[in-house]
Amino acid sequence: GAVVSQHPSRVICKSGTSVKIECRSLDFQATTMFWYRQFPKQSLMLMATSNEGSKATYEQGVEKDKFLINHASLTLSTLTVTSAHPEDSSFYICSAQKTTGGYGNTIYFGEGSWLTVV
Amino acid sequence: KQEVTQIPAALSVPEGENLVLNCSFTDSAIYNLQWFRQDPGKGLTSLLLIQSSQREQTSGRLNASLDKSSGRSTLYIAASQPGDSATYLCAVRQLGSSNTGKLIFGQGTTLQVKP
Repeated sequence: GAVVSQHPSRVICKSGTSVKIECRSLDFQATTMFWYRQFPKQSLMLMATSNEGSKATYEQGVEKDKFLINHASLTLSTLTVTSAHPEDSSFYICSAQKTTGGYGNTIYFGEGSWLTVV
Repeated sequence: KQEVTQIPAALSVPEGENLVLNCSFTDSAIYNLQWFRQDPGKGLTSLLLIQSSQREQTSGRLNASLDKSSGRSTLYIAASQPGDSATYLCAVRQLGSSNTGKLIFGQGTTLQVKP
């Protein structure tokens, strides 16, 4: 089956620094990728939709300048948490949809990345 | 706006029991509904996916049903085992949106199966 890889799986960073998380589709091309965030004991909330070659679409309440998304190729989307603070500590997970798009394609999830800001 | 709710939030059962997890959604215009399993500190494992035209799906000891008109889905786990202990999430994929791949998740049910 299709594989989506996230890196790093765990990262600890100091408050005020930036951290980048990568989401790669390993064996298919993904025009669209999605970034979710999950706080402890809560569900996954969509943060933004990452579109290859264009700007990401952010959900209401998600700061565009704080969570920078880049989808420069059909197999890679990156999420950069800028000027991270302890309240940004969370589980971040991506998903990818095959290039042909539409509803007929399965969504594949990455393994997730744990971010701890100290 | 679609809202997905899971009841109960937590469940503890002795090994061997059959159990039902519930998921409800407010907007019946869905493309499909998917059940996931999430172990502590881990990502998502897809368990069952039900298309909007289907009534149920089965995989091993798991059976998921879908009643789109009433906005409900259930996940039935037969003969539960300690290894089934995890958080179970349901998610719907909405119709009528330009964002065809977006999933809306429930809060999850955390299951503990005691030996």
